[in-house]
Amino acid sequence: DTEVTQTPKHLVMGMTNKKSLKCEQHMGHRAMYWYKQKAKKPPELMFVYSYEKLSINESVPSRFSPECPNSSLLNLHLHALQPEDSALYLCASSQNGFGQETQYFGPGTRLLVL
Amino acid sequence: RKEVEQDPGPFNVPEGATVAFNCTYSNSASQSFFWYRQDCRKEPKLLMSVYSSGNEDGRFTAQLNRASQYISLLIRDSKLSDSATYLCVVNKGYSTLTFGKGTMLLVSP
Repeated sequence: DTEVTQTPKHLVMGMTNKKSLKCEQHMGHRAMYWYKQKAKKPPELMFVYSYEKLSINESVPSRFSPECPNSSLLNLHLHALQPEDSALYLCASSQNGFGQETQYFGPGTRLLVL
Repeated sequence: RKEVEQDPGPFNVPEGATVAFNCTYSNSASQSFFWYRQDCRKEPKLLMSVYSSGNEDGRFTAQLNRASQYISLLIRDSKLSDSATYLCVVNKGYSTLTFGKGTMLLVSP
């Protein structure tokens, strides 16, 4: 079983809604990641947090807002999304975020924007 | 040249067959290489890391050729449960992984 958990498993939201995705890891890792994956495509990196600081933002639109309250929690706040933002949102964690590390993925949140 | 390139497949093989997947990468500075497997509508799961000396885990063998910038995965004695998409993953730099588009494997009875 994965040690990275994500809630909710599924989310349907309208374009005017505000919602949040949550991720928690229990491995003592200090780096956490958000990825977006569309059908039949590989995961695309969105954000990287290392030691609770945002270290990488892959030019993600501001309607996606990440937050790292502590080293084991990662949130993704969603506001005014578009239908094309519908995708599987994956959280991952790794030891320190120093590259060359294995990343472990959570089960994902499947998001549908209407 | 794409950063990480894989044949999308699908590879259709019978149970018990041996199947090999290849992957090429463009960044010669890459240091870490992985194979992940992803089942339909599930998250990617680490299958194995790939080391320069090659490594084996049961029925799975991974090889790395740095000179040719080429990674391979060999699966022996395929099982029905091996049906999945196999993602070749290469580190791009600090904390960043680049995923290939994946190779789909279908193992039939």
